[in-house]
Amino acid sequence: QVQLQESGPGLVKPSETLSLTCSVSGYPISSGYYWGWIRQPPGKGLEWIGSIYHSGTSDITHYNPSLKSRVTISGDTSKNQFSLELSSVTAADTAVYYCARAYCGGDCNSLYIWFDSWGQGTLVTASS
Amino acid sequence: QSALTQPPSASGSPGQSVTISCTGTSSDVGGYNYVSWYQQHPGKAPKLMIYEVTKRPSGVPDRFSGSKSGNTASLAVSGLQAEDEADYYCSSYAGSNNLVFGGGTKLTVL
Repeated sequence: QVQLQESGPGLVKPSETLSLTCSVSGYPISSGYYWGWIRQPPGKGLEWIGSIYHSGTSDITHYNPSLKSRVTISGDTSKNQFSLELSSVTAADTAVYYCARAYCGGDCNSLYIWFDSWGQGTLVTASS
Repeated sequence: QSALTQPPSASGSPGQSVTISCTGTSSDVGGYNYVSWYQQHPGKAPKLMIYEVTKRPSGVPDRFSGSKSGNTASLAVSGLQAEDEADYYCSSYAGSNNLVFGGGTKLTVL
């Protein structure tokens, strides 16, 4: 049974970088799934941020075009964790941030994915 | 990319059936069979209910079913139960390695 747990600061100052880590237990992040970040502003809907897939010796990352210039997702297979960095945050980045595992249909080179396991989510507030 | 369009709300009485729509374009919903649906109870993480338009993960009741016609996907819930009251979100592959969610539908069991 895979379990995911988000961790990181709950408060980030505007213009600074939001950094979160997702610790995964029960399944190696190097084995055949995408791993991703999704956020949900208070009272609003879900927004996909980006996803990472560990393919042999390299990582495949895909990002939401509206956030791409500010987002980096990376993985640490030795710790079985993956991380999110979102730079130059504003109040609009205030949200509950979820990490999730995504199964991929097809050959996993394209983002034919659906999220089958989620972390509990962590609220990050961008405020001075 | 724009969010997929869902009705803000839907409702039905216990035992009844309800359908939630998710409208996109030929570049997302209409172009690929990679539509998924998620259920979210207040304060909880989303839960996968349907993937690849019509498939149910193990453990999801067969009261939940998915379909697609053209650029619109649908989630049908039959035999409504009190625990089905939640927010529901659709998601679709949107081409060029993009993923898009719908705005969400609040399902109320009257």
